[in-house]
Amino acid sequence: AQSVTQLDSQVPVFEEAPVELRCNYSSSVSVYLFWYVQYPNQGLQLLLKYLSGSTLVKGINGFEAEFNKSQTSFHLRKPSVHISDTAEYFCAVEAVTGGGNKLTFGTGTQLKVEL
Amino acid sequence: DGGITQSPKYLFRKEGQNVTLSCEQNLNHDAMYWYRQDPGQGLRLIYYSQIVNDFQKGDIAEGYSVSREKKESFPLTVTSAQKNPTAFYLCASGTGFQETQYFGPGTRLLVL
Repeated sequence: AQSVTQLDSQVPVFEEAPVELRCNYSSSVSVYLFWYVQYPNQGLQLLLKYLSGSTLVKGINGFEAEFNKSQTSFHLRKPSVHISDTAEYFCAVEAVTGGGNKLTFGTGTQLKVEL
Repeated sequence: DGGITQSPKYLFRKEGQNVTLSCEQNLNHDAMYWYRQDPGQGLRLIYYSQIVNDFQKGDIAEGYSVSREKKESFPLTVTSAQKNPTAFYLCASGTGFQETQYFGPGTRLLVL
């Protein structure tokens, strides 16, 4: 079984400052990795995903993430945040077992961007 | 527009009552999923279906039931056996492997 840890439940940051949201995972098999964003009272939408290839993945809204296999991490970064980035961010993993696209989600990190 | 719709947006349940949450997709996806979201706990998988007329239990299936009679539809019934049903319920669909899941806007279930 796989698991996902998002150590930071809340991350406050000032507008135009850089931010990093941390995600670590554990799995006995290879995984695919995802970051989703959820705005208040809405569903989730995909920010970016890592399936294979380059370990640096670029997503929507200026976000990027780097897959680090040795540290089993997939941290999300943005060099300069905007007030509209205030939302909850979820890291998720899919085990590469061929058994279907079951995602395991972390508990989420609430990003609060302040003026 | 292609997407996933969930209804109703808010749902109230009385003690001992079964309620059904609707989920419809027009993305032609084979796979559909139901998640429950509670504050501080992330999303937990209730049931999923990879093909019509077939579905599997997720991590927290007790007190819930589903059906998948049509590719487009995957309704979730919260039964009276679910003692703590207050939560935000999210439906998603996908191609079933190595692909993004697309989420509906959610249904918030409250107990009267």
